[in-house]
Amino acid sequence: GAVVSQHPSWVICKSGTSVKIECRSLDFQATTMFWYRQFPKQSLMLMATSNEGSKATYEQGVEKDKFLINHASLTLSTLTVTSAHPEDSSFYICSAADSYSNQPQHFGDGTRLSIL
Amino acid sequence: DAKTTQPPSMDCAEGRAANLPCNHSTISGNEYVYWYRQIHSQGPQYIIHGLKNNETNEMASLIITEDRKSSTLILPHATLRDTAVYYCIVRVGSGYSTLTFGKGTMLLVSP
Repeated sequence: GAVVSQHPSWVICKSGTSVKIECRSLDFQATTMFWYRQFPKQSLMLMATSNEGSKATYEQGVEKDKFLINHASLTLSTLTVTSAHPEDSSFYICSAADSYSNQPQHFGDGTRLSIL
Repeated sequence: DAKTTQPPSMDCAEGRAANLPCNHSTISGNEYVYWYRQIHSQGPQYIIHGLKNNETNEMASLIITEDRKSSTLILPHATLRDTAVYYCIVRVGSGYSTLTFGKGTMLLVSP
């Protein structure tokens, strides 16, 4: 089946640091990638949708200048949390889809971000 | 707005069939029913999807009622590793459309 790789799986850093998370589709062209955030005991909340080569579309309430998304190729999207603070600590999950096929979205294994 | 309704939790004995219900009474004609599950501290895993016919794959079976207002995911022989939160989601079938996750059903499989 389709594989989506997310890296790193776990990161701890100091407040004020910027953190980059990578999401790769390993065996299909990811024309569309999605970024989600999940707080403890809650469901996944969509943060933004990105199409390859275009600017990301952010959900209401998500700061585009704080959560920078780049989707420059058909296999890689990155999410950079800029100047992270403790309230940004969460589980970040990406998913990828080939919008030209009927295949479902496939998810990475998530990145647990802890800001001290 | 939640487009699906699922029970918050269910229990199942190991080796027995797990039948997870989902109500989606406002589903549109071009919307599919998708099922994903999330094991603790992992990303969601795709299970199965269907439009109006029943579907089966190596993981599960999906039974959709004739009026498409509800469906049931069946895990024929549940194992301990099937303990997870199961999400029923309706969305149009194209790859670029978004998935909206509700609260899902926490399935606990016990020995």
